Amino acid sequence: GGIITQTPKFLIGQEGQKLTLKCQQNFNHDTMYWYRQDSGKGLRLIYYSITENDLQKGDLSEGYDASREKKSSFSLTVTSAQKNEMAVFLCASSIQGERLFFGHGTKLSVL
Amino acid sequence: GDSVTQTEGQVALSEEDFLTIHCNYSASGYPTLFWYVQYPGEGPQLLFRASRDKEKGSSRGFEATYDKGTTSFHLRKASVQESDSAVYYCALSEGNAGAKLTFGGGTRLTVRP
Repeated sequence: GGIITQTPKFLIGQEGQKLTLKCQQNFNHDTMYWYRQDSGKGLRLIYYSITENDLQKGDLSEGYDASREKKSSFSLTVTSAQKNEMAVFLCASSIQGERLFFGHGTKLSVL
Repeated sequence: GDSVTQTEGQVALSEEDFLTIHCNYSASGYPTLFWYVQYPGEGPQLLFRASRDKEKGSSRGFEATYDKGTTSFHLRKASVQESDSAVYYCALSEGNAGAKLTFGGGTRLTVRP
């Protein structure tokens, strides 16, 4: 079996700060995803990548950048953290959208 | 664009009660439908999926039937247990979009012993 590792588990930032979240997978999957999870709003897709160096915008890409430097890693940057923002960011990988495997999430709090 | 609607945001039941969580979808093509379950402190994990009209997916006593006519994929379980307490997500994947998975708003199930 494989595993998705997200770092850090908890991230506390200041308003206006640029913050980077990292994700590693050892499934050897082609496709990786970043979702944002907010209570009552479900999971909303920020970015996904179908192969190394590919980037596809999701429905919530504004305010975020992403980078897929190699097959096993996918990073997400919050370009300017918003005051009182609180959310969980979930990374996932899959083979072409057939069954996603998720990490345990990074919980973001902005002071 | 594609969308998934879960009617119930929260459901509270007692053990051995019957569960129904409603899921309706909107998609331009012929999507694959999924149910995912998320336990506290973990990421969502696949419960089961269905890709054809009238196909039934099932796992751990949960089941749902793909209904193209009513664009629905309702989750049911005949007798819930306290250990079923979790958040349940309905999702769809459009075949021609390949990789993109669209999720519903989630339903938090709490089962009292």
